Amino acid sequence: SYELTQPPSVSVSPGQTARITCSGDALPKRYSYWYQQKSGQAPVLVIYEDSKRPSGIPERFSGSSSGAMATLTISGAQVEDEADYYCYSTDSSGNHGVFGGGTKLTVL
Amino acid sequence: QVQLVESGGGVVQPGRSLRLSCAASGFTFSSYAMHWVRQAPGKGLEWVAVIWYDGTDKYYADSVKGRFTISRDNSRNTLYLQMNSLRAEDTAVYYCARAMYTGTIDYWGQGTLVSVSS
Repeated sequence: SYELTQPPSVSVSPGQTARITCSGDALPKRYSYWYQQKSGQAPVLVIYEDSKRPSGIPERFSGSSSGAMATLTISGAQVEDEADYYCYSTDSSGNHGVFGGGTKLTVL
Repeated sequence: QVQLVESGGGVVQPGRSLRLSCAASGFTFSSYAMHWVRQAPGKGLEWVAVIWYDGTDKYYADSVKGRFTISRDNSRNTLYLQMNSLRAEDTAVYYCARAMYTGTIDYWGQGTLVSVSS
């Protein structure tokens, strides 16, 4: 079955830029989405359709996609950005969803 | 505002069945596809199933295909997940989530916990 691959963890100091990658064979043809999940809470959409930011999401969150890799960038990461981040996309048919394994972002 | 409220979780023995519900409000339910996503304790998100806005198409993860059935009642603004032949590995928090016509999953409920144990 189709898989999306993320690094298990990323660590940065406050104010630094955090980059989280997501690789998958179908990404050249399918949009990527990014979700932030803090402990005990439901996921929150932070990037959709590769690079669009929902209203209410800080400008320091941005997304990009090139070839088989999507990237979530947090420019000037804040302590409150500490969370698990998941990429999401669909398989080549577009009918089956798939999440990456998640990346734990530590900001300290 | 958009609200999604799951219910029906609990403790169930292996091999038994359970039906989850998701009550939607604050938007035109019949215009949106809906997903179920689950998260085992301490693990990542796993996509489970999707149903089209009108119920005509449904798709499932390989891990639940043939055991779980997604359905909806647009007159009641409610999404369902019928789970049969439950296994220990189905233990998870189950979230319902709304998807725009573009495919974006934009709103999530708070989840309901299903624990499969003898």
